[in-house]
Amino acid sequence: DTEVTQTPKHLVMGMTNKKSLKCEQHMGHRAMYWYKQKAKKPPELMFVYSYEKLSINESVPSRFSPECPNSSLLNLHLHALQPEDSALYLCASSPPSGSLGETQYFGPGTRLLVL
Amino acid sequence: AQSVTQLGSHVSVSEGALVLLRCNYSSSVPPYLFWYVQYPNQGLQLLLKYTSAATLVKGINGFEAEFKKSETSFHLTKPSAHMSDAAEYFCAVTPGGGKLIFGQGTELSVKP
Repeated sequence: DTEVTQTPKHLVMGMTNKKSLKCEQHMGHRAMYWYKQKAKKPPELMFVYSYEKLSINESVPSRFSPECPNSSLLNLHLHALQPEDSALYLCASSPPSGSLGETQYFGPGTRLLVL
Repeated sequence: AQSVTQLGSHVSVSEGALVLLRCNYSSSVPPYLFWYVQYPNQGLQLLLKYTSAATLVKGINGFEAEFKKSETSFHLTKPSAHMSDAAEYFCAVTPGGGKLIFGQGTELSVKP
């Protein structure tokens, strides 16, 4: 089973709201990722967790706060977002990062609209 | 630094025609290369992956790609396009450490 699940599928929030995106995988992968994708563009890496520890933060604004409570779950907490943050947010997982050539498996994404 | 370039942001073919999506890579070491497909309003799905075991890589849905070191290319092909192949296709390379470097993507349209 190569499934990564994400909830919710769609989210509309105001600039003063606090919301969270959730990602889950049960493939035993120990690396998990958050990407942001704007329309007609490739995904942009935001964060990488390896063995539940944050290993890469691609200079993402602090209004995005990732959390990895356990090896199967990854959250992205959102607070005081801007309209330009509207995008598709993708989660991915892979066997332990640092191993060259590991395949990343993507979830279906959460479509976020910030009003 | 590693990078990939996809030639053509949009490719249109007729149903039943050959599909050819181009990807060239830049890498100082043997690369690990991927092709992903993204259908409208969905996430990315792995089509195939090159890991140096074989230069011709077969993937899902009848797609294959050939690694050509002399041309630094990893083009994606399918002998006969189907309407369901219409999607965005991304070539990617990994420098390791959890990073995937994507090309800009190629949108494939299939005409009946």
